[in-house]
Amino acid sequence: AQRVTQPEKLLSVFKGAPVELKCNYSYSGSPELFWYVQYSRQRLQLLLRHISRESIKGFTADHNKGVTSFHLKKPFAQEEDSAMYYCALGGGSNYKLTFGKGTLLTVNP
Amino acid sequence: DTAVSQTPKYLVTQMGNDKSIKCEQNLGHDTMYWYKQDSKKFLKIMFSYNNKELIINETVPNRFSPKSPDKAHLNLHINSLELGDSAVYFCASSPRGLPDTQYFGPGTRLTVL
Repeated sequence: AQRVTQPEKLLSVFKGAPVELKCNYSYSGSPELFWYVQYSRQRLQLLLRHISRESIKGFTADHNKGVTSFHLKKPFAQEEDSAMYYCALGGGSNYKLTFGKGTLLTVNP
Repeated sequence: DTAVSQTPKYLVTQMGNDKSIKCEQNLGHDTMYWYKQDSKKFLKIMFSYNNKELIINETVPNRFSPKSPDKAHLNLHINSLELGDSAVYFCASSPRGLPDTQYFGPGTRLTVL
């Protein structure tokens, strides 16, 4: 079974501060890992996926296979980063993504 | 040129009614999905179709019936609506059906009174 855990429902930081959104997963095979973001009143969109190893909008995510984590980080948060962030996992020939419950990030001025 | 579109955007209806939500994607993707986002923003998959065939059915009440007339469309019909069906329903598509980037529609906010 696939499971994704985002331990923080809410996360509040000040502008310019570093931010880390945690994601842990359980999966027996090799996972495909994603971060999706939902800005207020907008559709979900892909932020980044671990296989591409890109940095999008200053965010990076490190896949730690040892502790099965895929935390999302940004060194200097901006107010426009305020949004709901979802970690997601897919694997093998499975056709679905399993989403975590999401973390609502608020960046205060 | 919207990639994944849903209609209607808002749907307000009475308990017991039957309603449909339509989804269309013009990306040429093979796989389409329906997700339900509840009031706590928890996002959960309901169905997935690959080339018009049902792939995933995640313990959804049989009042919910997806229909895929072709691979660009995946509609969701809901019979005998209940208060607990109130949620935002998102349609999504992905290129090859394997775990891949999913492209989401704007969502349909369903309110059952």
